[in-house]
Amino acid sequence: IAGITQAPTSQILAAGRRMTLRCTQDMRHNAMYWYRQDLGLGLRLIHYSNTAGTTGKGEVPDGYSVSRANTDDFPLTLASAVPSQTSVYFCASSETRGNTEAFFGQGTRLTVV
Amino acid sequence: AQSVTQLGSHVSVSEGALVLLRCNYSSSVPPYLFWYVQYPNQGLQLLLKYTTGATLVKGINGFEAEFKKSETSFHLTKPSAHMSDAAEYFCAVSDSGGGADGLTFGKGTHLIIQP
Repeated sequence: IAGITQAPTSQILAAGRRMTLRCTQDMRHNAMYWYRQDLGLGLRLIHYSNTAGTTGKGEVPDGYSVSRANTDDFPLTLASAVPSQTSVYFCASSETRGNTEAFFGQGTRLTVV
Repeated sequence: AQSVTQLGSHVSVSEGALVLLRCNYSSSVPPYLFWYVQYPNQGLQLLLKYTTGATLVKGINGFEAEFKKSETSFHLTKPSAHMSDAAEYFCAVSDSGGGADGLTFGKGTHLIIQP
């Protein structure tokens, strides 16, 4: 049982470079989410998708974009990375929006230098 | 808008002692409430959840939490701490009315178990 797979596990990225974090789920969940985790701040929602073909902005969307071409994949793109985007990124999914538990991937540790 | 407050960024207890991690929430609609645990270098794992019905909910690894509407609280407890309980714990709230997307998390409580 895979659940949610994130890639890469970790990455060091030069500032100004473009980067796509990959997320794939095999649970056929409708809703998917991207969070960033920073020490002392908990997890903050970046973007979400309630169903394939739709996306929305979360609490901290600036500098990030997402797409949801199909049910399983929800990539997160940093168009031009900045050091403040150094963080651990978690992808999650839930059966429906809002009212059911979310399942999380193992995270991607990104360092922007 | 929803919010979650976890009292204490670090909590230290002795092995075998009671674990109490505090969580207070604010929500304009009846909330769904969750506790997640995160072990080092891992993702988040659901411990327990409250949606409707019985206000005392039991989760994995001997943890339980009680939803108290009058106190807007959802504190997490375990009668006897074990060394393996050392981890980061997150309380989260979801909008049962579907008005918000995703979970709103507290800042987390790092649980330290003293031998």
